[in-house]
Amino acid sequence: DAGVTQSPTHLIKTRGQQVTLRCSPKSGHDTVSWYQQALGQGPQFIFQYYEEEERQRGNFPDRFSGHQFPNYSSELNVNALLLGDSALYLCASSPRDRGLYAGELFFGEGSRLTVL
Amino acid sequence: GQNIDQPTEMTATEGAIVQINCTYQTSGFNGLFWYQQHAGEAPTFLSYNVLDGLEEKGRFSSFLSRSKGYSYLLLKELQMKDSASYLCAVSPFSGGYNKLIFGAGTRLAVHP
Repeated sequence: DAGVTQSPTHLIKTRGQQVTLRCSPKSGHDTVSWYQQALGQGPQFIFQYYEEEERQRGNFPDRFSGHQFPNYSSELNVNALLLGDSALYLCASSPRDRGLYAGELFFGEGSRLTVL
Repeated sequence: GQNIDQPTEMTATEGAIVQINCTYQTSGFNGLFWYQQHAGEAPTFLSYNVLDGLEEKGRFSSFLSRSKGYSYLLLKELQMKDSASYLCAVSPFSGGYNKLIFGAGTRLAVHP
């Protein structure tokens, strides 16, 4: 059973460019959330998707947008990249019907973005 | 808003017990979580407290006191593989369980 998978694992962009990161949730999970983790910091919530709609959003500008597809996979798009966007971007999935999984998120290994 | 504080770094000896504290200021939350993150890897779920008291899972236990705004993670019989960052997080009422507010994490180094 594959866990949460993310691609690409590493990428380098320059200021002003755009980037798309991809995430496939764990089998049986329909809810995806995205987090940004700067070096030495805890993950910061960007947004959450289920039923192909953004349901919750953290304190991130509109340059950060996302999408969820009918197969529950998700994309994170960041436009007009800034140096400060350099971070590890983590995708986490969970089932909406939590039952025994109350409170547990399954994280992918992340996509490490470097903006030069 | 939420503010979560943890010590930045801790060291401990293999076989010992270590307690990692977490204090928070928040208007309300569903539950408090602890995650483990090894360098360069994804965070993995360790424990979850909704009610006050102690939750035990093998070598790991987590405690919550809502009235005191305080939690701790207790690691017993430390092993070298326990060297990692430990992240305290809360799920605010407004966000459901997928929106977690994380602290900066505590880097634990276990020495022989």
